[in-house]
Amino acid sequence: KAGVTQTPRYLIKTRGQQVTLSCSPISGHRSVSWYQQTPGQGLQFLFEYFSETQRNKGNFPGRFSGRQFSNSRSEMNVSTLELGDSALYLCASSLIPGRDEQFFGPGTRLTVL
Amino acid sequence: AQSVTQLGSHVSVSEGALVLLRCNYSSSVPPYLFWYVQYPNQGLQLLLKYTTGATLVKGINGFEAEFKKSETSFHLTKPSAHMSDAAEYFCAVSGDNNDMRFGAGTRLTVKP
Repeated sequence: KAGVTQTPRYLIKTRGQQVTLSCSPISGHRSVSWYQQTPGQGLQFLFEYFSETQRNKGNFPGRFSGRQFSNSRSEMNVSTLELGDSALYLCASSLIPGRDEQFFGPGTRLTVL
Repeated sequence: AQSVTQLGSHVSVSEGALVLLRCNYSSSVPPYLFWYVQYPNQGLQLLLKYTTGATLVKGINGFEAEFKKSETSFHLTKPSAHMSDAAEYFCAVSGDNNDMRFGAGTRLTVKP
């Protein structure tokens, strides 16, 4: 069974631009969560989607948004990029939201210049 | 809402020594508890999890953790550290509203 895949793996953008990251969950998993990981802040929860509905959202500004498609694939978008958005963005999928093991992708490393 | 506190952002042990990584949680409902490990430039992978039943949980790579309700703790241990254990470790809790929350992580260094 294929694992969680994230594309692209690496991305370099400049301030003010926007970016879209993609996540394909494990087949059969309908829950997808997104996290931002930085050396200073650790692992911060962004949002979780289940069956195309946003189930939960972390404490991030509205520049961060996401969506989930009918095939459970998910995208997250960051608009008007800031230097502080440089981070590793991790996607995780699970069978059951919240109460089940999450399977993580390798992440997308975003660098904002 | 539930939360997780990992005591010690960095832990250093000698090879062959006991590994102890501390995790305390809060939850208003019986929690599910998890430990994940992250190796450099990789995503997180599950080490072990507690849902219900036996409070001592054994995981991969010789790690185990004990759920202590009275102490609201779920500390991770390994009797003898190996160089390959060097990584970042995350404790997570799922409780209120089935929301998963991660701790800040503990970076484990293993000295030869």
